[in-house]
Amino acid sequence: NFMLTQPHSVSESPGKTVTISCTRDSGTIASNYVQWYQQRPGSSPTTVIYEDDQRPSGVPDRFSGSIDSSSNSASLTISGLKTEDEADYYCQSYASNNHWVFGGGTKLTVL
Amino acid sequence: QVQLMESGGGVVQPGRSLRLSCVASGFSFNNYGMHWVRQAPGKGLEWVAVIWSDGSNKYYTDSVKGRFTISRDNSKNTLYLQFNSLRVEDTAVYYCARAGYSHDAFDIWGQGTVVTVSS
Repeated sequence: NFMLTQPHSVSESPGKTVTISCTRDSGTIASNYVQWYQQRPGSSPTTVIYEDDQRPSGVPDRFSGSIDSSSNSASLTISGLKTEDEADYYCQSYASNNHWVFGGGTKLTVL
Repeated sequence: QVQLMESGGGVVQPGRSLRLSCVASGFSFNNYGMHWVRQAPGKGLEWVAVIWSDGSNKYYTDSVKGRFTISRDNSKNTLYLQFNSLRVEDTAVYYCARAGYSHDAFDIWGQGTVVTVSS
């Protein structure tokens, strides 16, 4: 199976914009949808982006997703950062052999 | 509302067995594939297993093949994960998650149940 690589941590100030990358090491990023999950401390994950760029109902439009075939990566962008956005974020995709793959996670600090 | 509730976690010795349950409510359980995902202490998420909505197909991550068994009882809206030959490295929070949006994704997650394997 392929691997999804994320930065270990990112930090930004409230009100700013941050982008978290997720790079696929083999195969093409566009082959399967990419999802993003938010996990606040002590809580279970919740979906913030599915199918590359779709937001579930209830997720603010400050969250957006995209893929870039040239870098074989996906990105999660959060604009107008709030302290409540501080969490771990995981990208995830499906490997075409009935296995599912997660990135290692990125800790977002809003300071 | 749509909800998943895991139970059955605990402290168990290496080599022993355990069974987790995940009760679903608020949706038609028999229409959805279901997954187990785990998270070791201080680590990231790891997909463990999936079962099709009718139970016809099951797939596992390599490290648990032959030791874990995923199953479901659609009449009871319940998903299971049977552990055999537990190892210290199986220590984790185990989440059940619904296969939603598409075949690729997890849309609803339970609150998790903790499994600690220790002598």
